[in-house]
Amino acid sequence: AQSVTQLGSHVSVSEGALVLLRCNYSSSVPPYLFWYVQYPNQGLQLLLKYTSAATLVKGINGFEAEFKKSETSFHLTKPSAHMSDAAEYFCAVSEPGANSKLTFGKGITLSVRP
Amino acid sequence: DTGVSQDPRHKITKRGQNVTFRCDPISEHNRLYWYRQTLGQGPEFLTYFQNEAQLEKSRLLSDRFSAERPKGSFSTLEIQRTEQGDSAMYLCASSQHDRGGTEAFFGQGTRLTVV
Repeated sequence: AQSVTQLGSHVSVSEGALVLLRCNYSSSVPPYLFWYVQYPNQGLQLLLKYTSAATLVKGINGFEAEFKKSETSFHLTKPSAHMSDAAEYFCAVSEPGANSKLTFGKGITLSVRP
Repeated sequence: DTGVSQDPRHKITKRGQNVTFRCDPISEHNRLYWYRQTLGQGPEFLTYFQNEAQLEKSRLLSDRFSAERPKGSFSTLEIQRTEQGDSAMYLCASSQHDRGGTEAFFGQGTRLTVV
């Protein structure tokens, strides 16, 4: 069985500050990992994905994440927050070669202060 | 192609009524997924199709829920005898399996409110 833990439900940063959203996973096989962003009343948009290639993954809008097997983590970072980054962020895991269904964490709401 | 399309975007229904949602996936995608998202939670997997075959259903999918994907194109999700606990956002996603891709593209969702 797979699971994702996103510690804390809300993160608040100042505009221009570092964004760090934490994600830890549990999987019985080497996983695929994803970060999605969701704006109010919208679907989910893929920010980036890890599929067993480079452990440092760059995504859209300046976000990146690093896969650390020893820590079972896939934390999302952005060097400088922008007001438009305010949204809900979900980390998800899937099992390669299976049905590719996603198991999501509970999500983290990011607020950006002017 | 404009992405995954879901209809309606919002649905308010009285408890006990039946509702049906539609999802039109990205045209070349052979996999289609339904997820349910309640307030403050991440999406939870309900079911998925490869082409027209429904290959897996979650235990979350009670007997009141049924999904179809005739001809492997669009899909419908029907909820019979709705209950207040069915109030949620229902998300559809599609992906192209043959390409070895794992990226699922999501629609904007259908928000169901059962009163």
